[in-house]
Amino acid sequence: DSGVTQTPKHLITATGQRVTLRCSPRSGDLSVYWYQQSLDQGLQFLIQYYNGEERAKGNILERFSAQQFPDLHSELNLSSLELGDSALYFCASSEAKTAYNEQFFGPGTRLTVL
Amino acid sequence: AQSVTQLDSHVSVSEGTPVLLRCNYSSSYSPSLFWYVQHPNKGLQLLLKYTSAATLVKGINGFEAEFKKSETSFHLTKPSAHMSDAAEYFCVVSDRRTSGTYKYIFGTGTRLKVLA
Repeated sequence: DSGVTQTPKHLITATGQRVTLRCSPRSGDLSVYWYQQSLDQGLQFLIQYYNGEERAKGNILERFSAQQFPDLHSELNLSSLELGDSALYFCASSEAKTAYNEQFFGPGTRLTVL
Repeated sequence: AQSVTQLDSHVSVSEGTPVLLRCNYSSSYSPSLFWYVQHPNKGLQLLLKYTSAATLVKGINGFEAEFKKSETSFHLTKPSAHMSDAAEYFCVVSDRRTSGTYKYIFGTGTRLKVLA
């Protein structure tokens, strides 16, 4: 158990809808990272927050957004969902401000868009 | 831009025989390199990391990897495979960006099958 929790575990929704994925980092970790894992794209970095502020951006679509709250939990919002957004979404956390060191991954949220 | 290539998408070994999972990287900077393992329906777990200290890195569950700068490789090995090692393995390089931030670049993964 990494100490990172994600909810929900599974999410099934329809095209055009909006969903929110939640992540609680390990105790003491200030950085939260979001990743998407799909069969065709593999594992891709989406976005990083550090202590409430956006720190780094990856291949995140404009339809997606994230935030980190004062208690350090983070939410990833996915809107106007398309079939291609079906994937496993992971969050990870680390102590450090940068992704130079190890990250601890949550169990993931599997999103299915029908 | 930095990249990482896992040379085998699938590897099969017999239980008790050595494991070799190959990873090559390209980097303009001194990279951080990692191996993560993903068991079915689970998150990624760190096996080991290289962050410019010793070139031979020991990890959990008997795995180790050697950083070879001249060959730009970071292959993962284990002397004797166990059935519980069956999983997907990801080689990761930490990519330093022009903004000064870093991001993980993942390899495409190697699925390890262990035969009884």
